[in-house]
Amino acid sequence: DAKTTQPPSMDCAEGRAANLPCNHSTISGNEYVYWYRQIHSQGPQYIIHGLKNNETNEMASLIITEDRKSSTLILPHATLRDTAVYYCIVPGGTSYGKLTFGQGTILTVHP
Amino acid sequence: SAVISQKPSRDICQRGTSLTIQCQVDSQVTMMFWYRQQPGQSLTLIATANQGSEATYESGFVIDKFPISRPNLTFSTLTVSNMSPEDSSIYLCSVGGGRVNYGYTFGSGTRLTVV
Repeated sequence: DAKTTQPPSMDCAEGRAANLPCNHSTISGNEYVYWYRQIHSQGPQYIIHGLKNNETNEMASLIITEDRKSSTLILPHATLRDTAVYYCIVPGGTSYGKLTFGQGTILTVHP
Repeated sequence: SAVISQKPSRDICQRGTSLTIQCQVDSQVTMMFWYRQQPGQSLTLIATANQGSEATYESGFVIDKFPISRPNLTFSTLTVSNMSPEDSSIYLCSVGGGRVNYGYTFGSGTRLTVV
């Protein structure tokens, strides 16, 4: 798996956009970037993934740099329920690659 | 995406005993994954379970300690054998990673405490 680097923690005010960065400088051309989050005492939840184009779904947006060495997960209007650990993962090998979890970013959304 | 039912949700077990955790998926999946999350830590992959073949274990995990069954494409079990307090963790199963790169789905986990 390509190694990812994330800040250990971030804060965000409720209602504001949360921008979570991730570096993945060793990513290969056919490897996707996945984002998951884990709310306390729950299993990880899939958020979004992308290859090289920016992606948006009902939960978040994913911005991937042109060189694909970094990406940013954007929660456009953070709520208290978005407080969680956010993981940026680049599964290696084939499409059936296993996930290697780093320490992620603890996002705390404040009132 | 698939829906996973994982049982039990939590258990308190005596050291030296074994616990079998079940993972039921509402659709057929080729690969299932078992993870461990120790207190305050991130998730660590234990093994990958394919139907009809032996599970593939990650470094540091062995079949005698964590035997896995995968009798069909919708079900798997993980047994934590001869438990010690160090086995107290959350154990999670996961499915996904298909060819079109759908997101992986996780069960809600089994919170195990060994006393």
